[in-house]
Parts: sequence; C-alpha cells; structure tokens
Amino acid sequence: GENVEQHPSTLSVQEGDSAVIKCTYSDSASNYFPWYKQELGKGPQLIIDIRSNVGEKKDQRIAVTLNKTAKHFSLHITETQPEDSAVYFCAASINFNKFYFGSGTKLNVKP
Amino acid sequence: DTEVTQTPKHLVMGMTNKKSLKCEQHMGHRAMYWYKQKAKKPPELMFVYSYEKLSINESVPSRFSPECPNSSLLNLHLHALQPEDSALYLCASSQASGLNNEQFFGPGTRLTVL
Repeated sequence: GENVEQHPSTLSVQEGDSAVIKCTYSDSASNYFPWYKQELGKGPQLIIDIRSNVGEKKDQRIAVTLNKTAKHFSLHITETQPEDSAVYFCAASINFNKFYFGSGTKLNVKP
Repeated sequence: DTEVTQTPKHLVMGMTNKKSLKCEQHMGHRAMYWYKQKAKKPPELMFVYSYEKLSINESVPSRFSPECPNSSLLNLHLHALQPEDSALYLCASSQASGLNNEQFFGPGTRLTVL
C-alpha cells in the first residue's frame, strides 16, 4: 500500500517567518494530496489540497507544491502567526475514500 | 451547513459496558468515515460507508460495530472494549463520487476505557 513520510516532526519558527513541511509518498498512482491542521482538542481541518494534474496551489499565506517525478509535496506557510501553531498532517489518496496520512508536524510559532 | 457533529464529546466506559458514538452531517455527503486517533499520531481509518453501505473495514476488531441508519447519520457501537482502545474517535464525511473528495472531520469523541 501507500506509504507517506512527513518531516520534520516538530518545527519552531519566529512569528513572521516562513514554515515549510515536506512529505514523500511511495505510490505513483496517488492523485490527491490534502493538508490538514489539527488544533488541540479539535478534529483535523482541511487547509489546502492539490491534485496530481497541478504543480502548485496557493491560498493567501498558504501554498502547496507537488513534484510527481520525485513523489514529494510540500506545505509552505508565509508570514506565520501564533494562531498557525498546531499539528499539520499531509495525506495522499489513490482512490477518493482512503487517505494515507503522514505522521504529523507540530508547528510552534513564537510571538 | 458545513459541519460534522459528534456526540458525546467525552465518554468513559468500563470493559463490560456497551455504548454508542454518534455522528451527524447535513451536507448531503454520501460517504462517511470512522477514524481512531491516538495521542500524537495521525488518524487511522477504521470504516468507510458509501451510500449507506459498508465499503471499507480496515480489519477492525468486532468489538467495534458501525452502523449507518441513513445518509446523515453514522453510529459506532462499542462493546467489551480494552484499555488500549482509549483514543479520540473521529467521524468524517465527503462526497462519495466525483473529484470533490474533501473530507470534513467532526470534533471527535474522547473515549477512555477503564
């Protein structure tokens, strides 16, 4: 089956700096790549997603890039704010009902 | 309404108890999911229902029994659980077909098995 690896496991940045989280996947058939943010005591919330026919997608301070050849995708958060502090999960999906999640990155934005 | 609701928020049960977790969505989604999440780990898929039929069972022990009584409701019946089943149980929903497959998660039920 699909295997998704996520790095780093923890990331600490100063407010206003950028944060980058990277994921690799193993199955070239994966075609959908969502990113979820999970705050303490809450369920995961989708923040951005990308499909395999697109190389980059941006939504305000958040962007995702996908390199199908290398089988990796990355989350970029610019101008980080304390409220960006949370655990971020990447995922890959081959069919639309099953997600393979990465192990998570705990992002800490220091004011 | 873009919300998935789950009840109860917290549940403490003994190993001999029978309890149920409930999930509800009114987004017209025809796929619903149960996930289990242990602390500091990603969600693990347990079950998927598509058009009210069980389509994926990730080899979950029979002490967990899912039920989808209609397109808006999803239940998870619990019986004879073990302490290691203590976790956050998340429900999610999505479109069942087509390209729009964003999964909307509920806030979860925090389950403690004594």
